[in-house]
Amino acid sequence: DARVTQTPRDKVTEMGQEVTMRCQPILGHNTVFWYRQTMKQGLELLAYFRNRAPLDDSGMPKDRFSAEMPDATLATLKIQPSEPRDSAVYFCASGPPGTDYGYTFGSGTRLTVV
Amino acid sequence: DAKTTQPPSMDCAEGRAANLPCNHSTISGNEYVYWYRQIHSQGPQYIIHGLKNNETNEMASLIITEDRKSSTLILPHATLRDTAVYYCIVRALYNQGGKLIFGQGTELSVKP
Repeated sequence: DARVTQTPRDKVTEMGQEVTMRCQPILGHNTVFWYRQTMKQGLELLAYFRNRAPLDDSGMPKDRFSAEMPDATLATLKIQPSEPRDSAVYFCASGPPGTDYGYTFGSGTRLTVV
Repeated sequence: DAKTTQPPSMDCAEGRAANLPCNHSTISGNEYVYWYRQIHSQGPQYIIHGLKNNETNEMASLIITEDRKSSTLILPHATLRDTAVYYCIVRALYNQGGKLIFGQGTELSVKP
């Protein structure tokens, strides 16, 4: 089965450090989402892209978060500087073009900021 | 985005059908009903979606009322591996953005 690949799987970092999370969408998929999940807030949509262009990033704290798609096979989510409240599981999902089929999620990056 | 309402938790006996309800009374004509589930510590998994008609696949069946204001996800023979949080989501069509917003979901516990 085709998969969405997220790296790293786990990341522990100190407050103030830059964190970069990567996502490889399924080949041929043109819609990419970033979500954050915490016990308190559940699954929150941070940003999503179509054909590498951002469609909506209103859920993302702009002062420290940035999301990009350098090419069609890579999406990145950066946090600079990181804070303890950023500790969460970050999920990436991708979807195929031109259809309303469901999206495929990756296994997530568990971020702990100490 | 239309909002959905789901019971926070449900129990089901193994081997029995699990019927998970969802209310989406403000759904508009360009929005689908989607169901995803999330097994502990994994990424959400797509189950099924529908616009107006009932749908069935190898995982589940989706029953949508005629007025489209509510739906039911049916797992015909629940197993212990179906224990998960189930999310009912109303999503716009692909050509209108297709944004997927999760609510709190229903935590389904399948018991032996």
